[in-house]
Amino acid sequence: AAGVIQSPRHLIKEKRETATLKCYPIPRHDTVYWYQQGPGQDPQFLISFYEKMQSDKGSIPDRFSAQQFSDYHSELNMSSLELGDSALYFCASSTNPREALNTEAFFGQGTRLTVV
Amino acid sequence: AQKVTQAQTEISVVEKEDVTLDCVYETRDTTYYLFWYKQPPSGELVFLIRRNSFDEQNEISGRYSWNFQKSTSSFNFTITASQVVDSAVYFCALSEYGGATNKLIFGTGTLLAVQP
Repeated sequence: AAGVIQSPRHLIKEKRETATLKCYPIPRHDTVYWYQQGPGQDPQFLISFYEKMQSDKGSIPDRFSAQQFSDYHSELNMSSLELGDSALYFCASSTNPREALNTEAFFGQGTRLTVV
Repeated sequence: AQKVTQAQTEISVVEKEDVTLDCVYETRDTTYYLFWYKQPPSGELVFLIRRNSFDEQNEISGRYSWNFQKSTSSFNFTITASQVVDSAVYFCALSEYGGATNKLIFGTGTLLAVQP
């Protein structure tokens, strides 16, 4: 079965550079979530989209932005990278949580971003 | 506010021992979901179980079992006859149902080390 695809799997950037992470949800999933997991930390919710509109926002820095496109894939753009942005970034997808009784979010394998 | 507490930061057991991972949650919602995820050293988040707040039946899946008790707001996870391959970080998580999104609130995780 198709899963959530994230690219790239690994990314190394220098401080002050920009990075773009991509997420391709499971077919027919219209909701995408982004999480950030720092070293030794639990995943923290950043932002989510439903039908190309932002549906919820967590602790996402102003230097980060994200969007969902017409094909439902999503991109997380990170500018002015800092050492503290080094983390594992997960994307998850689901069907509309307001419609399905048993909506479950499926996680991608993550993108490991290292800022040097 | 929603909160998940995993008081055990690290547990070390010897192979074939049983081990229980504790999870206590806080929420004002009457309808919610509880999850357990496994994160092996490779980093991906592996879904183990989802339980909704209306279903307090305990569940057993092979060597895994879960004890959900609403009265104590706990959702504990037991591995029977542990194996070295069970070594990982285990996260308990909570999400509300029917809200704008099904974002997950994670606990801080329990690192399980199973020694041969």
